[in-house]
Amino acid sequence: ETGVTQSPTHLIKTRGQQVTLRCSSQSGHNTVSWYQQALGQGPQFIFQYYREEENGRGNFPPRFSGLQFPNYSSELNVNALELDDSALYLCASSQSHAGVTGELFFGEGSRLTVL
Amino acid sequence: GQSLEQPSEVTAVEGAIVQINCTYQTSGFYGLSWYQQHDGGAPTFLSYNALDGLEETGRFSSFLSRSDSYGYLLLQELQMKDSASYFCAVRDRTGANNLFFGTGTRLTVIP
Repeated sequence: ETGVTQSPTHLIKTRGQQVTLRCSSQSGHNTVSWYQQALGQGPQFIFQYYREEENGRGNFPPRFSGLQFPNYSSELNVNALELDDSALYLCASSQSHAGVTGELFFGEGSRLTVL
Repeated sequence: GQSLEQPSEVTAVEGAIVQINCTYQTSGFYGLSWYQQHDGGAPTFLSYNALDGLEETGRFSSFLSRSDSYGYLLLQELQMKDSASYFCAVRDRTGANNLFFGTGTRLTVIP
């Protein structure tokens, strides 16, 4: 148990719809990152939030957006869903300095299926 | 750019030792991390190597050679519960504290 919780655990959407995924970070962690994991692949970095601001972004289009709240929880929003967006979306929290050890604390993810 | 290569699958016998290799190409390098992920579960941190050499944590050890851009994860006294996917990952030096993951190695432990 990492203390990182995500919701919902599973959801099904259709192409063109919008989705919001939620993450509560581990107590004391002020940095949240989001990753996309396609089946059989490693997680891919989407973006990171630190002190409510985006602090880095991977190779994902602008229809992937996020928020971080004062309590360090976070949301991932995806607009205009495409079939290729079907994946496991993982949230990871860390103390900002924890990056020195490469240790992130992951939630169990939200499994999104786009039909 | 960055790339990480791992074997896609490894099978080993319970009680044995298995080594999972990882070679990397990256424009900058902070260190190599290893994560374990059981089916349907969250990736969990196993180890991190910033400097060359061997790091040992119980039954798991991780090795890094920066000159060879190579590392490995060594699992000893394999147990059935070690059946999982294992990912190596490097930190991105662009300023964000994020990880770039390899495609993972699926380890199957057989009786």
